[in-house]
Amino acid sequence: AQRVTQPEKLLSVFKGAPVELKCNYSYSGSPELFWYVQYSRQRLQLLLRHISRESIKGFTADLNKGETSFHLKKPFAQEEDSAMYYCALSTTSGTYKYIFGTGTRLKVLA
Amino acid sequence: GAGVSQSPRYKVAKRGQDVALRCDPISGHVSLFWYQQALGQGPEFLTYFQNEAQLDKSGLPSDRFFAERPEGSVSTLKIQRTQQEDSAVYLCASSLPGGTVGNYGYTFGSGTRLTVV
Repeated sequence: AQRVTQPEKLLSVFKGAPVELKCNYSYSGSPELFWYVQYSRQRLQLLLRHISRESIKGFTADLNKGETSFHLKKPFAQEEDSAMYYCALSTTSGTYKYIFGTGTRLKVLA
Repeated sequence: GAGVSQSPRYKVAKRGQDVALRCDPISGHVSLFWYQQALGQGPEFLTYFQNEAQLDKSGLPSDRFFAERPEGSVSTLKIQRTQQEDSAVYLCASSLPGGTVGNYGYTFGSGTRLTVV
């Protein structure tokens, strides 16, 4: 079955502390993995895509096929990182629809 | 337009009422998706259009849900005889052709929050 699991509903860290938002997936094939972010009162927007191996706003995510994980990391959290984060898996043929995790709310405390 | 536009932003419907939700995608975006997001959950796939063709409607929860995109641009999601369990945020997203989603991802609209009372 295709599934994305984000085990933490809420993650609170202090400003300047490292952040890791966990994402595990189940997919028979080679998935495309993404992180989307939703800031307060804003729409869902793309943060990272695994194939580009880029760093956006200091966040990185590495696809680990052995552990079927795609954890989102940032070495030093900022208050403006507080938001809802969704991990998503895209099917790589046919519809290219997303399977989303349930999301993790990140709160960065001053 | 510059982004994906959805209307209305909020809709309150009495149980049994029919509703229509509109999505205006980014000009030139061939692919259009509808998702349903219940409170505390991630978005769940409803249906997919490539231009005017509805290629996947496997996520529509019942035959009360119907979507169309007659001219390959604006799309409407219609829910007939609404029930309380239909209360959710309905998200529309558009993208370049399916094979490029891996490169570019989707652009989402702000969503329509439907409350059925």
